[in-house]
Amino acid sequence: NAGVTQTPKFRVLKTGQSMTLLCAQDMNHEYMYWYRQDPGMGLRLIHYSVGEGTTAKGEVPDGYNVSRLKKQNFLLGLESAAPSQTSVYFCASSYPNYQGQYFGAGTRLSVL
Amino acid sequence: KNEVEQSPQNLTAQEGEFITINCSYSVGISALHWLQQHPGGGIVSLFMLSSGKKKHGRLIATINIQEKHSSLHITASHPRDSAVYICAVRMKTSGSRLTFGEGTQLTVNP
Repeated sequence: NAGVTQTPKFRVLKTGQSMTLLCAQDMNHEYMYWYRQDPGMGLRLIHYSVGEGTTAKGEVPDGYNVSRLKKQNFLLGLESAAPSQTSVYFCASSYPNYQGQYFGAGTRLSVL
Repeated sequence: KNEVEQSPQNLTAQEGEFITINCSYSVGISALHWLQQHPGGGIVSLFMLSSGKKKHGRLIATINIQEKHSSLHITASHPRDSAVYICAVRMKTSGSRLTFGEGTQLTVNP
């Protein structure tokens, strides 16, 4: 039982490059979330999903896209990376009755 | 003004001291969470509260809904308690989504 797994753990991109971050959970959770964490700020919600095939915008969605084709996977895409997207990205998942969110280990992304 | 405010931002203590971290929020909530982020970056949930008090080992969390305030206490602190402690609230209007405080960096020296 791995919980929530994020890949990759680290990545360096050049401005304008694209990439996809993968989040996988094996707890059969309905809800999944993508956050970014920046110095001096709390975790901020980028996008979230309340079930397979559904996604919704969070607090800071611009510049990101997501997909939830399978219940266990939630993908975060950057189509054209910008230095402002340098951050640590966390994925989380939870049940609908929401007894707590389970977090992945994070992806540290630098955009040069 | 952030909807979730934590204090202090940074806290240094000596091993064995009693520690209190505070969280205030400005909106109606369904629940409040305390999370711990280890130096390596991983985040784990410590408590979820909607009223009263919860205890787990040396950690105690309390909430006062009327005053919109919660505290996280650590008794007999230890260097391994060094971490960032994060308060997060689930607002009544936001479904399952959480709004996070900025976190409190705790350092416990031996």
